[in-house]
Amino acid sequence: GQQVMQIPQYQHVQEGEDFTTYCNSSTTLSNIQWYKQRPGGHPVFLIQLVKSGEVKKQKRLTFQFGEAKKNSSLHITATQTTDVGTYFCAGPNAGGTSYGKLTFGQGTILTVHP
Amino acid sequence: NAGVTQTPKFQVLKTGQSMTLQCAQDMNHEYMSWYRQDPGMGLRLIHYSVGAGITDQGEVPNGYNVSRSTTEDFPLRLLSAAPSQTSVYFCASSYSTFTSGRYEQYFGPGTRLTVT
Repeated sequence: GQQVMQIPQYQHVQEGEDFTTYCNSSTTLSNIQWYKQRPGGHPVFLIQLVKSGEVKKQKRLTFQFGEAKKNSSLHITATQTTDVGTYFCAGPNAGGTSYGKLTFGQGTILTVHP
Repeated sequence: NAGVTQTPKFQVLKTGQSMTLQCAQDMNHEYMSWYRQDPGMGLRLIHYSVGAGITDQGEVPNGYNVSRSTTEDFPLRLLSAAPSQTSVYFCASSYSTFTSGRYEQYFGPGTRLTVT
């Protein structure tokens, strides 16, 4: 079945440093989504990327979708303590009744030291 | 809108007990799903539904049942609880992907379940 791998599993940074998490799928994705989960909270949707090579920005966050639509990355510039949490990528399964099912990566846990 | 609500927030069960985790959404979303979250495992899909009366299995369905009699509600039943089912359970809903092409899911606050 489809697998979505995410690295690193953990990342500790000093406040102000940059952070990047990478996501790789075993199959070509029609789109990829990113979610953030604060400690003790629930996942919250950040963004959806659809086009090959697409780059989207949200303030200090930059999201990229690979040319082959099998990988993606999330980059945070100048991290702040409010960025703490787990970042997940997720891709939909394709075809038939599984259309719309999401497969999540394992997540990257980001810790920011002030 | 309340969004996606889940009850209870916390639950402790003994091995062999059964219970139902409740999930409701008021956004008229057709697609609903249940995930469990375990450390280092991400979110794993248990069951999902593409509309009232239609359910299907996800990645880890064993030990769980679901039904979808209305658009709003999607309860998850644990038939005979086992310690391996200790986890955080999230319900989520989204637009119908058949028509919208939008996949973002809205998650409830979660239920933290411990089975002893």
